[in-house]
Amino acid sequence: GENVEQHPSTLSVQEGDSAVIKCTYSDSASNYFPWYKQELGKRPQLIIDIRSNVGEKKDQRIAVTLNKTAKHFSLHITETQPEDSAVYFCAADRAGGGATNKLIFGTGTLLAVQP
Amino acid sequence: DAGITQSPRHKVTETGTPVTLRCHQTENHRYMYWYRQDPGHGLRLIHYSYGVKDTDKGEVSDGYSVSRSKTEDFLLTLESATSSQTSVYFCAISEQASGRGYTFGSGTRLTVV
Repeated sequence: GENVEQHPSTLSVQEGDSAVIKCTYSDSASNYFPWYKQELGKRPQLIIDIRSNVGEKKDQRIAVTLNKTAKHFSLHITETQPEDSAVYFCAADRAGGGATNKLIFGTGTLLAVQP
Repeated sequence: DAGITQSPRHKVTETGTPVTLRCHQTENHRYMYWYRQDPGHGLRLIHYSYGVKDTDKGEVSDGYSVSRSKTEDFLLTLESATSSQTSVYFCAISEQASGRGYTFGSGTRLTVV
């Protein structure tokens, strides 16, 4: 089955700097890669996703890149702000094509943005 | 809110007792999931359902069973709770056609003493 590895487990940056979180996946059939943000004591919430037919996607200060050949994808946050502090999870899935939609998650990255 | 509610929100139970957690949705989504969240392990899939009475095992299904007799309800049962099942349990729903990932419930914090 699918296995998703995520690094680093913790990341501390200064406000205004960029943050990068990286994930690798094992199942070459995976074609959908979402990122979730979880604030302390809250539920995980989708912040951005990318499909395997796209190499990069941006939404304001957040971007995700995908390298299908290497089977890795990354989350980039620019101009970080204290409210970006949270745990971030990557995930992978074989959405569509008759496969049952079930996300396999990475182990999470605790991002701390220092004011 | 998100159209998905979990109950109870918190529960403390004793080792060896059965426990049932409930996930209820008002979105009429086909897919429902139970995950557990533990430090250092992220979110791990316990069981999932792809329709009424259609369920399957996830990564960490031992010691858990599920039932889905109605589209809106997905129940997770710990047959005989153990301390290793102390965790935060999240339910999620998905409409596969949308391809927009999951919507999570607010979670249930379960402590087995």
